Amino acid sequence: QSALTQPPSASGSPGQSVTISCTGTSSDIGGYNYVSWYQQHPGKAPKVMIYEVSKRPSGVPDRFSGSKSGNTASLTVSGLQAEDEAEYYCSSYAASNNVEFGGGTKLTVL
Amino acid sequence: QLQLQESGPGLVTPSETLSLTCTVSGGSSSSRNYWGWIRQPPGKGLEWIGTIYYTGTTYYNPSLKSRVTISEDASKNQLSLRLSSVTAADTAVYYCVRPQGGFCCNWFDPWGQGTLVTVSS
Repeated sequence: QSALTQPPSASGSPGQSVTISCTGTSSDIGGYNYVSWYQQHPGKAPKVMIYEVSKRPSGVPDRFSGSKSGNTASLTVSGLQAEDEAEYYCSSYAASNNVEFGGGTKLTVL
Repeated sequence: QLQLQESGPGLVTPSETLSLTCTVSGGSSSSRNYWGWIRQPPGKGLEWIGTIYYTGTTYYNPSLKSRVTISEDASKNQLSLRLSSVTAADTAVYYCVRPQGGFCCNWFDPWGQGTLVTVSS
């Protein structure tokens, strides 16, 4: 069982927006601004989409955004495109030099 | 462009030690960087295994700490992972990663392509 809780699935039509949540505790998400999000297509390695809650690495479309409120972080994908269909994982620094991941959310573009 | 490539046996016998190597190209494994390993059991989520700093300082997942050793060979631009007393639960794709953000446990980029290790007799 993963330390961070994500919904197993999410979906939206092309052009719509979808938000994926990631819930932890005050010992991880709530205590630090070190939340990151990863996109993983089948058979491929994960790719970072958001780091430090809301920062986008170079090359990641600005359709992807991140936020945090209390012990819950969120990833929003705006203007959904077919290529956004993938598994998404959240991650957070946890106390005493540890890293936790969520169980993953399968995003389907209808 | 920095690239990471994992290598090692694809099949390990239960109770034995899993050993993997990650070769760093397009950069140096000793350039004041952190390096690490993350794994993913088939059809399941990601699990951080641990991180090593170029000084040799290591950070491990508490749930694996008693069985894990991560080391670095700067002369070969390689890092290594050893996981002892493996069971079927250790069957996973193992990824070599570079932790970013100035410490062991922030975000990870890039990732290697991953290598599947199956634990079975």
